[in-house]
Amino acid sequence: IVMTQSPLSLPVTPGEPASISCRSTQSLLHTNGYNYLNWYLQKPGQSPQVLIYLGSNRASGVPDRFSGSGSGTDFTLKIRRVEAEDAGVYFCMQALQLPLTFGGGTKVEIK
Amino acid sequence: EVQLVESGGSLVQPGGSLKLSCEASGFTLSGSPIHWVRQASGKGLEWVGRIKHRANDYATAYAASMKGRFTISRDDAKNTVYLQMNSLKTEDTAVYYCTRHLIVGPMDWFDLWGQGTLVTVSS
Repeated sequence: IVMTQSPLSLPVTPGEPASISCRSTQSLLHTNGYNYLNWYLQKPGQSPQVLIYLGSNRASGVPDRFSGSGSGTDFTLKIRRVEAEDAGVYFCMQALQLPLTFGGGTKVEIK
Repeated sequence: EVQLVESGGSLVQPGGSLKLSCEASGFTLSGSPIHWVRQASGKGLEWVGRIKHRANDYATAYAASMKGRFTISRDDAKNTVYLQMNSLKTEDTAVYYCTRHLIVGPMDWFDLWGQGTLVTVSS
């Protein structure tokens, strides 16, 4: 399954919203009704950290300004009002089948 | 503190071998599937492979480009997972992360990552 993210780079002013798209070449909808799509953020110099799992569920401790949506092959990560600490590279990853695959990443830069 | 710590990364010549370790602290590794993910400098994330836990017979799986060259194993008594890499190529140069796969019912994600260890394949 090939994962494609857009845009590659996203300059954002603090307080403004941001949106990242992720598309897969196969549906990520499992027969159990869940979409096996996760979002990770890699802040500069750090390891990745989970933000969203199963397409739309915020992981523990993730601020509610982050939200995930979508189903099948089209998914979106939204940041309601970007803060300086949100800078980094965002990756989507399909967890439906092996090999697990990641999107190429979207670099969010704070203006 | 709950954490994963990778070690073993170094400079190795093409065709050489290297064994990475991923040691858990603050929790028992035996109940967790562990994956390896790598990242070349300035690039994205690439899944390397995974090992399941004892209840699933320590089943392993690998990315196509690493199958036959890389082997993942684990020693639960030492709370450690290993990545044995043979026949290394320059394109294997990357930071290698181990990550814990948390599965609760239908939910699954990588909830804990190590800090990574750098492998450089060069002559």
